Amino acid sequence: NAGVTQTPKFRVLKTGQSMTLLCAQDMNHEYMYWYRQDPGMGLRLIHYSVGEGTTAKGEVPDGYNVSRLKKQNFLLGLESAAPSQTSVYFCASSYTTTRQQPYNEQFFGPGTRLTVL
Amino acid sequence: AQRVTQPEKLLSVFKGAPVELKCNYSYSGSPELFWYVQYSRQRLQLLLRHISRESIKGFTADLNKGETSFHLKKPFAQEEDSAMYYCALSAGGGSNYKLTFGKGTLLTVNP
Repeated sequence: NAGVTQTPKFRVLKTGQSMTLLCAQDMNHEYMYWYRQDPGMGLRLIHYSVGEGTTAKGEVPDGYNVSRLKKQNFLLGLESAAPSQTSVYFCASSYTTTRQQPYNEQFFGPGTRLTVL
Repeated sequence: AQRVTQPEKLLSVFKGAPVELKCNYSYSGSPELFWYVQYSRQRLQLLLRHISRESIKGFTADLNKGETSFHLKKPFAQEEDSAMYYCALSAGGGSNYKLTFGKGTLLTVNP
């Protein structure tokens, strides 16, 4: 199993350009997440999805959109990139919580380093 | 709303010395606490969770509800423990699949 994969690994954009980050998981997980990691800020949740066709806003959703058309994929879009979106983006996934196991481990991808000039 | 505080951005110790990474949380319910670790050039991974009450790579963490703390400890640090450590909290109820992370502590173990 590849686990959680992210493409691309690196990207440089100019202000105003758009791009899509792709996250894929082969663990049949229901839940998927997008985080950004900034120095001194830790990981902050951008958007998340609790199942195919559903998405929800996290802590810092402004400037981003997401889609979960297939269970295994979770796309993060930047419509008009800004320098403030320079960051490392991590995707994660986890399986469904149950009464017996209400808290589940999140599995992370390797990250995408994005620079917006 | 829940909050996780890691008061130390940087922590440096010598090999063989004890190490303690502090984590305090704010949450009115019964949380689940985790420690995640990110080694250099590797992805973030779960180190341990409080409900498991286990020791991983010599690390332990005890949930102290009175002090709302979940400090990570290791009696004898090794150079390979050098990494970024994140404390994370999962709330109860309908949001127990989401994690709130602290800002992280970068641990350096010197030879």
